[in-house]
Amino acid sequence: NAGVTQTPKFQVLKTGQSMTLQCAQDMNHNSMYWYRQDPGMGLRLIYYSASEGTTDKGEVPNGYNVSRLNKREFSLRLESAAPSQTSVYFCASSVQAGSFSGANVLTFGAGSRLTVL
Amino acid sequence: GQQVMQIPQYQHVQEGEDFTTYCNSSTTLSNIQWYKQRPGGHPVFLIQLVKSGEVKKQKRLTFQFGEAKKNSSLHITATQTTDVGTYFCAANYGGSQGNLIFGKGTKLSVKP
Repeated sequence: NAGVTQTPKFQVLKTGQSMTLQCAQDMNHNSMYWYRQDPGMGLRLIYYSASEGTTDKGEVPNGYNVSRLNKREFSLRLESAAPSQTSVYFCASSVQAGSFSGANVLTFGAGSRLTVL
Repeated sequence: GQQVMQIPQYQHVQEGEDFTTYCNSSTTLSNIQWYKQRPGGHPVFLIQLVKSGEVKKQKRLTFQFGEAKKNSSLHITATQTTDVGTYFCAANYGGSQGNLIFGKGTKLSVKP
């Protein structure tokens, strides 16, 4: 049981290049999320998908787009990378977004470290 | 937007000393979760607190949720080097989506 799998683990981009971070989960979870983690800033939500077919903006969506390809997969795209997007990106999933006890517990992937020069 | 304050930002302790991290919100929470992230790793769920005044224990870790459901704490008794990492609280303010708002974390280092 792999849980949440992210690719790539590391990537270096030049300013203006585009790339897509891939995320897949095999736990039959309904909700998926993309976070970024910067030193001293904790985890900030970029986009989430409460269920297949829906996506919504989080706290820091500018410069990103997402696609919920199917129930298993949720990708994050940087159309024109900027140095400010240098960060560690985490994909996560949960049974269900919302306040239901236990259902919104997050399972994280191993992370993707992105450097934009 | 909603914010949750977590203190301290860093804590350095001698092995065997106790450690506590605190999370505070200005508004009432639906529930709160705690995660641990080892150096170079990803956050891993520890526990969720739902009820007012709730106290839960996991071996040397004690988690508390305030009576007003606005604050929470994680206390580690007699720290060990395996406790090293960053501890995050994640606050849930409710609502249909109920997205979690993470504190900035407390980075714990333990000197053997």
